[in-house]
Amino acid sequence: EAQVTQNPRYLITVTGKKLTVTCSQNMNHEYMSWYRQDPGLGLRQIYYSMNVEVTDKGDVPEGYKVSRKEKRNFPLILESPSPNQTSLYFCASSFRDRGRNEQYFGPGTRLTVT
Amino acid sequence: AQSVTQLDSHVSVSEGTPVLLRCNYSSSYSPSLFWYVQHPNKGLQLLLKYTSAATLVKGINGFEAEFKKSETSFHLTKPSAHMSDAAEYFCVVSSNAGKSTFGDGTTLTVKP
Repeated sequence: EAQVTQNPRYLITVTGKKLTVTCSQNMNHEYMSWYRQDPGLGLRQIYYSMNVEVTDKGDVPEGYKVSRKEKRNFPLILESPSPNQTSLYFCASSFRDRGRNEQYFGPGTRLTVT
Repeated sequence: AQSVTQLDSHVSVSEGTPVLLRCNYSSSYSPSLFWYVQHPNKGLQLLLKYTSAATLVKGINGFEAEFKKSETSFHLTKPSAHMSDAAEYFCVVSSNAGKSTFGDGTTLTVKP
């Protein structure tokens, strides 16, 4: 089944404790992206990747890191999480075609930082 | 630079009546525009997309949207609302460089 998977789905952590949220897709998509969703703010793009070893900042990259060493994986790293990073996070992927293609979204990761 | 404004944060309609969800965009190039739907506690699903072909775009579940360049709008419509349409709807503009900008969302309520 074609899908985007994220792990973990739920995470409660404490301020300053490094964490990684994994994202994997099995559709051979070149493009992958991370978003955070907060009430009333829609989804805001954190980082995106047009292909392996190519990443770029979205609108809210502060406090996050990403890497794209393999085509299928795009982990999101929070080196020192803070309470304002409590949010619902979505990973997405698509074929790269000048932004014309539908993005396929993972199920989301609900992160709480205390 | 690009931006999206969804003009209504909440829309309430009665079952069987038309739906109109409004979206205006700003872009310095020819954009690709999308509408996604998110049902409660679910992920996002594509409803329809515009990518410089026909200006009237048909999507799933009877939804359609019209791209109007002169008005920089991409409003979503459906002739007759169904209870299952109750959800949050997002208008999205994407650039060919990979940036995607979502609107703040419109919550659609359908009354019986």
